[in-house]
Amino acid sequence: GNSVTQMEGPVTLSEEAFLTINCTYTATGYPSLFWYVQYPGEGLQLLLKATKADDKGSNKGFEATYRKETTSFHLEKGSVQVSDSAVYFCALSDYNNAGNMLTFGGGTRLMVKP
Amino acid sequence: NAGVTQTPKFQVLKTGQSMTLQCAQDMNHEYMSWYRQDPGMGLRLIHYSVGAGITDQGEVPNGYNVSRSTTEDFPLRLLSAAPSQTSVYFCASSYDGGTQYFGPGTRLTVL
Repeated sequence: GNSVTQMEGPVTLSEEAFLTINCTYTATGYPSLFWYVQYPGEGLQLLLKATKADDKGSNKGFEATYRKETTSFHLEKGSVQVSDSAVYFCALSDYNNAGNMLTFGGGTRLMVKP
Repeated sequence: NAGVTQTPKFQVLKTGQSMTLQCAQDMNHEYMSWYRQDPGMGLRLIHYSVGAGITDQGEVPNGYNVSRSTTEDFPLRLLSAAPSQTSVYFCASSYDGGTQYFGPGTRLTVL
């Protein structure tokens, strides 16, 4: 079956530091890949997505590139802010599995200190 | 648009009680789903629906029932609550099952 593995947190960074959160996946088909963000006490919001190999998703300074050869979709940001503190989830959807619903990684908590 | 709404926000149950978590969306999405969020495990799919009158099981369906009589509503029923069902529950909707739009969640505690 499909699965998503992402680095465990928490990740603690100082403001303006470079961020990388690793995500790798296993899928039987050709999945779409997503990063969702969850701020404290809230639901999940789509941060970015990529639907095919070599696509780069980007939003709010965050980027991730769909790498089929390494089955990865690592999240990066060049300069984090305190307001980026949240839990980040990597996920995939696959038309061949469960109505194209999402399979999530375990989440990575990011804490950014001023 | 209100998006995806869920009620209640918080609920405490005793073991063996039943209840229904409500979910509604006003985006005319065909696909709706329920996930539970537990620490360190991300979100896991409970049940989903690809249209009115059609439901199917996800990864962790035991102890839960769903129905989809309208496009807008997708309630989740706990038949006999157990402490293992203590979790945060999220409802989501989507146009095609890929990009999901999530509700604010229901935090459920079963004593």
